[in-house]
Amino acid sequence: AQSVSQHNHHVILSEAASLELGCNYSYGGTVNLFWYVQYPGQHLQLLLKYFSGDPLVKGIKGFEAEFIKSKFSFNLRKPSVQWSDTAEYFCAVNSNDYKLSFGAGTTVTVRA
Amino acid sequence: EADIYQTPRYLVIGTGKKITLECSQTMGHDKMYWYQQDPGMELHLIHYSYGVNSTEKGDLSSESTVSRIRTEHFPLTLESARPSHTSQYLCASVPTGYYNEQFFGPGTRLTVL
Repeated sequence: AQSVSQHNHHVILSEAASLELGCNYSYGGTVNLFWYVQYPGQHLQLLLKYFSGDPLVKGIKGFEAEFIKSKFSFNLRKPSVQWSDTAEYFCAVNSNDYKLSFGAGTTVTVRA
Repeated sequence: EADIYQTPRYLVIGTGKKITLECSQTMGHDKMYWYQQDPGMELHLIHYSYGVNSTEKGDLSSESTVSRIRTEHFPLTLESARPSHTSQYLCASVPTGYYNEQFFGPGTRLTVL
């Protein structure tokens, strides 16, 4: 299985601040990359994904992520967070099979 | 969007009991997965299935077993629950044609006393 590392365990920020969550993976070949989000009391849901093409991908709710192959990274960004972005965020990676490897997650708390 | 159903949502039981966690989806997805998740930790794949009568163990060793007799149903069974089985169990599936984009159920939070 792949190893997926999320650098921040818990991030606390104020509304309108910018957010960047780091994600690094271990596999050097072709990968599919995902960010999932879990809002309090809700299912895990897909935020965005990268399969190929433009390394800058845009997802729902104003989130975007950049795939940098040379750095084995897929960092998530949002220019201006809202209180409703309070959630847990998981990076996930797949390579050559139908299984995903997940990072440990980052809890994001946005203060109003 | 896919609908994945898990029951029960919460379960508190005593040691030694046999339990079955239910997972179902009505969209005809062929690939289904079970994950175990502890607070602050990554999701660990414990079982998966690529279709009827196909089941495989995941990356994390688990004492649970699964079956896939029908496409829409992927139950997980613990023959004799122990406190070490206390965790959250998440079920997911992948629609045909959606390469690896997994859709998740709400989870079952299991507590074994």
